[in-house]
Amino acid sequence: EAGVAQSPRYKIIEKRQSVAFWCNPISGHATLYWYQQILGQGPKLLIQFQNNGVVDDSQLPKDRFSAERLKGVDSTLKIQPAKLEDSAVYLCASSPLGTAYTGELFFGEGSRLTVL
Amino acid sequence: QKEVEQDPGPLSVPEGAIVSLNCTYSNSAFQYFMWYRQYSRKGPELLMYTYSSGNKEDGRFTAQVDKSSKYISLFIRDSQPSDSATYLCAMRGAGNMLTFGGGTRLMVKP
Repeated sequence: EAGVAQSPRYKIIEKRQSVAFWCNPISGHATLYWYQQILGQGPKLLIQFQNNGVVDDSQLPKDRFSAERLKGVDSTLKIQPAKLEDSAVYLCASSPLGTAYTGELFFGEGSRLTVL
Repeated sequence: QKEVEQDPGPLSVPEGAIVSLNCTYSNSAFQYFMWYRQYSRKGPELLMYTYSSGNKEDGRFTAQVDKSSKYISLFIRDSQPSDSATYLCAMRGAGNMLTFGGGTRLMVKP
């Protein structure tokens, strides 16, 4: 079974530029998550989708971050304009319905963003 | 105060040692408790999950939850160099959102 695919793996941009990350979840997984992991910290949830609807985006900085999951499959996370404090690894995760309470999320390898 | 606190380490132990990793939390609504392992430059992977208080064992790993003290632990017996990673505790209440600790970096020396 193929895992969660993310791209690009690494991105370096200057502040005020824009960047987009792409995620393709495990086939059949209804729920998709974007997490931000700053160096030395645990992942922080940015947004959760179930199919193509948003379940939770309370921690998404909506003035600069946006995410979409068209057709309930792959997803894109965009940052515009980027700030220095956005330097982090952006992790995408997915899970099938019915496993929410076990907490079993399947993570991709992440997209590492450096903002100069 | 963070909702979930975890000593960042690093924790360095010799091969074969018993490792104890811990988290404390403040939200009494948390009911589901997990441990994730994250190798360098990889995404986290679920090691164990437990519901409410008690112990759960899986091979060399044992997870303990003490809800009265708001304290959870992960024990690793006969630690191996391949166990070297960052260990993240995570927990949730009745809702969907997982709250992660900051992670403890473990190094097992051969």
